[in-house]
Amino acid sequence: DTGVSQNPRHKITKRGQNVTFRCDPISEHNRLYWYRQTLGQGPEFLTYFQNEAQLEKSRLLSDRFSAERPKGSFSTLEIQRTEQGDSAMYLCASSLEQGMPYEQYFGPGTRLTVT
Amino acid sequence: DAKTTQPTSMDCAEGRAANLPCNHSTISGNEYVYWYRQIHSQGPQYIIHGLKNNETNEMASLIITEDRKSSTLILPHATLRDTAVYYCIALRDSSYKLIFGSGTRLLVRP
Repeated sequence: DTGVSQNPRHKITKRGQNVTFRCDPISEHNRLYWYRQTLGQGPEFLTYFQNEAQLEKSRLLSDRFSAERPKGSFSTLEIQRTEQGDSAMYLCASSLEQGMPYEQYFGPGTRLTVT
Repeated sequence: DAKTTQPTSMDCAEGRAANLPCNHSTISGNEYVYWYRQIHSQGPQYIIHGLKNNETNEMASLIITEDRKSSTLILPHATLRDTAVYYCIALRDSSYKLIFGSGTRLLVRP
């Protein structure tokens, strides 16, 4: 078990460009979450997958954001037409679905800087 | 999920116990108290959770008051590596998303 991995770890992009981040959860975990964290704040929930189904999207996830988990394994988060306000740490977490409650395992995050 | 309130920052000496309080006065009967921490430049890490009874694991102890309106996370022998932001979260047993507040920034002094 190598834990949750995220790539890239850092991304610098110019305003207006599209970016895509990848998350590889712990292999047997069927739940996957994306969070966003800005400087000095706690992480904020963005979206949640159970297997390949996206079951909830936060209001924070504007139309420029899209997340997929095509085969219920890895997930991608794409941001189109990036804005400076998108600069943040994007965190992925995964968990098992085995009764309640349960713990989420977080990856190291992808830090996005939009210039 | 109930709102939680934590001090903004605390410090303690290395080797001493760190006691981090959390207020959750509106917690309901099916809400658990979870603690996560986030070391600088890393993702949050689960520490411990509890419902009514006190809990202990290899990382920490969780003391929940009898009325469940507050709790204390105890790191029995704090080390420099325990310097982090600690988040207290009230979570329903049917919830799946973590609602993080601003947490408590713990500084462990040498």
